Amino acid sequence: AQSVTQLDSQVPVFEEAPVELRCNYSSSVSVYLFWYVQYPNQGLQLLLKYLSGSTLVKGINGFEAEFNKSQTSFHLRKPSVHISDTAEYFCAEKGTPLVFGKGTRLSVIA
Amino acid sequence: DTAVSQTPKYLVTQMGNDKSIKCEQNLGHDTMYWYKQDSKKFLKIMFSYNNKELIINETVPNRFSPKSPDKAHLNLHINSLELGDSAVYFCASSQVRDLNQPQHFGDGTRLSIL
Repeated sequence: AQSVTQLDSQVPVFEEAPVELRCNYSSSVSVYLFWYVQYPNQGLQLLLKYLSGSTLVKGINGFEAEFNKSQTSFHLRKPSVHISDTAEYFCAEKGTPLVFGKGTRLSVIA
Repeated sequence: DTAVSQTPKYLVTQMGNDKSIKCEQNLGHDTMYWYKQDSKKFLKIMFSYNNKELIINETVPNRFSPKSPDKAHLNLHINSLELGDSAVYFCASSQVRDLNQPQHFGDGTRLSIL
């Protein structure tokens, strides 16, 4: 069965510092991967997606993710975070429905 | 312009009551979903409907009954509410033929059982 593992449940980081949120997937064929963000008291918004092609995917709000097939990873990065990036981040793999990780809480500290 | 809309946004009610949550999508998608998000933020799929037909029914108490009058609507009715039903319920939709397309989510319904 497909599974998505987000290795960190919480990531605190100071404002303007870089951040990496880790995600590993299990599927070995036709991988489609997504990162969603959930701001407090809101629904999930799509940050970025990997379908094929370039392994470096750029998303909204300055986030990017790198698809690494050999390591079955799809880590999310941002070079400089803002207070407004404080949210829950979910990695997901294609399926019907999507297979979600358990989420990583990013807390940006002023 | 809201793509997936849920009502109500907040629902506070007493144990034992029956309540419904409505969901509508205007994206022309053929598949709709209900998820439950617990206090630890874990997202669990409950149901999925494709063109008004039930295609996914996870291990959910039969007090929960989804109803899809048409492919743009998927409502969730809950009978005899229990304390453990307190959670945020999200509706989502997608075009299932395009597996590389993401699901679109509503803003959630925050259900609190007193």
